[in-house]
Order: sequence, then structure tokens, then C-alpha cells
Amino acid sequence: SYVLTQPPSVSVAPGKTARITCGGNNIGHKTLYWYQQKPGQAPVLVIYYDSDRPSGIPERFSGSNSGNTATLTISRVEAGDEADYYCQVWHSSSDHRIWVFGGGTKLTVL
Amino acid sequence: EVQLLESGGGLVQPGGSLRLSCAASGFTFSSYAMCWVRQAPGKGLEWVSVINNSGVSTYYADSVKGRFTISRDNSKNTLYLQMNSLRAEDTALYYCAKGPAQQLVPNYFDNWGQGTLVTVSS
Repeated sequence: SYVLTQPPSVSVAPGKTARITCGGNNIGHKTLYWYQQKPGQAPVLVIYYDSDRPSGIPERFSGSNSGNTATLTISRVEAGDEADYYCQVWHSSSDHRIWVFGGGTKLTVL
Repeated sequence: EVQLLESGGGLVQPGGSLRLSCAASGFTFSSYAMCWVRQAPGKGLEWVSVINNSGVSTYYADSVKGRFTISRDNSKNTLYLQMNSLRAEDTALYYCAKGPAQQLVPNYFDNWGQGTLVTVSS
């Protein structure tokens, strides 16, 4: 199996930069995806292939992945960014494939 | 516009069965892999099962293997999840989600439905 570790919570003031980490063994060798989930809503993809943004996702959202840690960075944080954020990888071993989510990080905008 | 509409959730007793459906529209359903992801109340996301575009290849999380079966009917643009031998720990909101283009087995999921709630309790 493969485990992704996220901090349970991150707090940031409006206009500042939020950084949400996702740890995993040699995660830099994997491709990372990030989802945003606002209360009562379905998850939304915000970053794919480590650092690409789907259409409609603001440029304030960016991603990086190296070594044992991947990071979702949200610049100029707004109140509307308050949500749970999940990282995800795809992992393969022998003939078995699994899709793994991190435990999620609650972003609070102060 | 991609739309995914789950249905079939409800209250079921432990050991019981339920079949979830996900009606898809707004894209060529038969060209895309699909999946089920669940979220227990107040908890994080947990991958459940993936099926490739043709339905030939399926994958399951260890927690549901042997109890759940994913399938699809491309003529009806519908994804299914047959859930048997249900346990209390299967209680969750079940989302269907779509894989990206040109990935017969998806690395990630680019569109999600709103979910259907399954409650397993006596």
C-alpha cells in the first residue's frame, strides 16, 4: 500500500499565502493531484500532473512535488478558498493498482 | 457540460445489498473510465472502485473486494455499483467520478457527481 500524509488543518489570513503539504515515500517519483471540497459540495479538481490547473481554476493555485513532499500553494488567499483539500496519487504494484487519497487538510481563512 | 447523477442510496441493514447508479451526460460515456469514491460522515475521501471505458478492467479497494461489483452499461450511459454483505463501516456518501480523456485507466478524476448517501444500520 501507499500512504499520503497531510496536516489536519492550516490557517491563513486573507491575502496571504497558504501552503498545504502532502507527504509520501518518494512522492516526487509519482504524479500528484489535488482536490478542493467545500462544505456540502462534491470535490473539485484544482491541480493535476503535479502543477497543471484545469480550466476555471485561478492562477493563485499552484502545485509542486519533489522528494518526499508535495505542496499545494494558494496565493492571495480569499475567504472563498476555505475548504478541505485532498492530495491523491495512483500507485501500482505487480498487477494491483490503487488510488490513494491523503487524509485531507482543512484550510481556514482567518 | 458534464453531469453525473448518482441514485440508489438509502438505509439498509447489515448484511444487506444495495445497487447504486450514476447517470452520465454531457460527454461520450463509452470513451471514459469511471470510478466510485466514498466519504464517511465527517471523514476523508476513500477510493472504492474503478472501471475502464469498455468495462473489461475493474479495480477494487481491499476494503470492498469480494463484496462490491462495479459495472457499466454504455448503451444507457450509466455506471453501477452493486454492494453486497454491507457493513456499518460502509456507511458513506458515494460519489461517482469520471476519468480524464485518453486514459483508459485513469490517474485521476476530473468531474464528480453530488453523491448518494448509503447508511448501513439495524
